[in-house]
Amino acid sequence: DTAVSQTPKYLVTQMGNDKSIKCEQNLGHDTMYWYKQDSKKFLKIMFSYNNKELIINETVPNRFSPKSPDKAHLNLHINSLELGDSAVYFCASSPLSSTGSPLHFGNGTRLTVT
Amino acid sequence: AQSVSQHNHHVILSEAASLELGCNYSYGGTVNLFWYVQYPGQHLQLLLKYFSGDPLVKGIKGFEAEFIKSKFSFNLRKPSVQWSDTAEYFCAVTISGTYKYIFGTGTRLKVLA
Repeated sequence: DTAVSQTPKYLVTQMGNDKSIKCEQNLGHDTMYWYKQDSKKFLKIMFSYNNKELIINETVPNRFSPKSPDKAHLNLHINSLELGDSAVYFCASSPLSSTGSPLHFGNGTRLTVT
Repeated sequence: AQSVSQHNHHVILSEAASLELGCNYSYGGTVNLFWYVQYPGQHLQLLLKYFSGDPLVKGIKGFEAEFIKSKFSFNLRKPSVQWSDTAEYFCAVTISGTYKYIFGTGTRLKVLA
């Protein structure tokens, strides 16, 4: 079983559209994250939720809205997509018990905005 | 602001060569340190981690890293690389008491067969 799963794996859409990416983890972790990896492979944190509560909200356009219906799920909704949103988006999770615990990453969602 | 620097952006080695990738962080307090690997087209996977204790940590696939607190460094090493080590390598830091993982810009390693 995949520990952190994201859907879809690929997403191609036009500018101005609204799209969502879903993430689920079956590790029992309390904390989940969204990272954006650009074309130069730079990983930038976007959001983090701890047991459904938003704990990290980096400087991200408000077109991006995370939603965590429960601690096993963290979805990312993007409104009015722009060309610059093209990237690979990674979901990750970690246990609450220790901030030193490593992140477990999903396989990523490659978003292409045309 | 805290940051992580990886000075080698691209490294090309022949098989059996030794590898050392640099990682420096800027924070004076207690940190936890990680190295992740991203094989082409895949997600990031943990190579090794340092929390406390022995500053020389061993990870999977023959990798090791040494934490040198005085130099704020956590360099990754492997005595003899293989073609299958071709990947992107990321150093990451978390500051104790926070949930924020800060990643370096990555080092792209290419191993020639």
